[in-house]
Amino acid sequence: GQNIDQPTEMTATEGAIVQINCTYQTSGFNGLFWYQQHAGEAPTFLSYNVLDGLEEKGRFSSFLSRSKGYSYLLLKELQMKDSASYLCAVRDKESSNYQLIWGAGTKLIIKP
Amino acid sequence: DAGVIQSPRHEVTEMGQEVTLRCKPISGHDYLFWYRQTMMRGLELLIYFNNNVPIDDSGMPEDRFSAKMPNASFSTLKIQPSEPRDSAVYFCASRHTPLNTEAFFGQGTRLTVV
Repeated sequence: GQNIDQPTEMTATEGAIVQINCTYQTSGFNGLFWYQQHAGEAPTFLSYNVLDGLEEKGRFSSFLSRSKGYSYLLLKELQMKDSASYLCAVRDKESSNYQLIWGAGTKLIIKP
Repeated sequence: DAGVIQSPRHEVTEMGQEVTLRCKPISGHDYLFWYRQTMMRGLELLIYFNNNVPIDDSGMPEDRFSAKMPNASFSTLKIQPSEPRDSAVYFCASRHTPLNTEAFFGQGTRLTVV
């Protein structure tokens, strides 16, 4: 079957670093996306990983290990505006036309 | 490009009424998706279109839900009759064909059925 797990909620301090984990089980992995969603707004794209390793983009980095079915999103130098939900989504070749399977999201709370 | 445009942003309706949600995808995108998001169930794919053709509607909860895409620049999601459990935020998203491209979401329609 298909399953994606993320922590429901995390808290971190402004200026610090936080790592949000995502584990998945799919029969035909074909890429992993991270999206950010502020309360009351639409999800917006952060990163895409299809090969193992780390993808860095400014303060945000995303890591993938296909053998472990594991990814994480690393946020550095946290700012108050980073308070949002972070959604992990996996593309599965076995799903209809390679559609995304979405995690429930991790709500990140940044404290001063 | 103005991005994916949805209307209305908010809709409050009485149980039993028909509700129509509208979406204009980004020009040139050949995939369009309708999602529903609730606290309990997260983001759920309802239906998606490729080149205006419905490909997979297995996520549509009931026959009360229907979606159309008469042309490349417009899609509707209709609920008839609406029920309180349909209350949610409905997102429309679009993307290009290549699998490594991300989907762009509209701002969503917050539907409340009382």
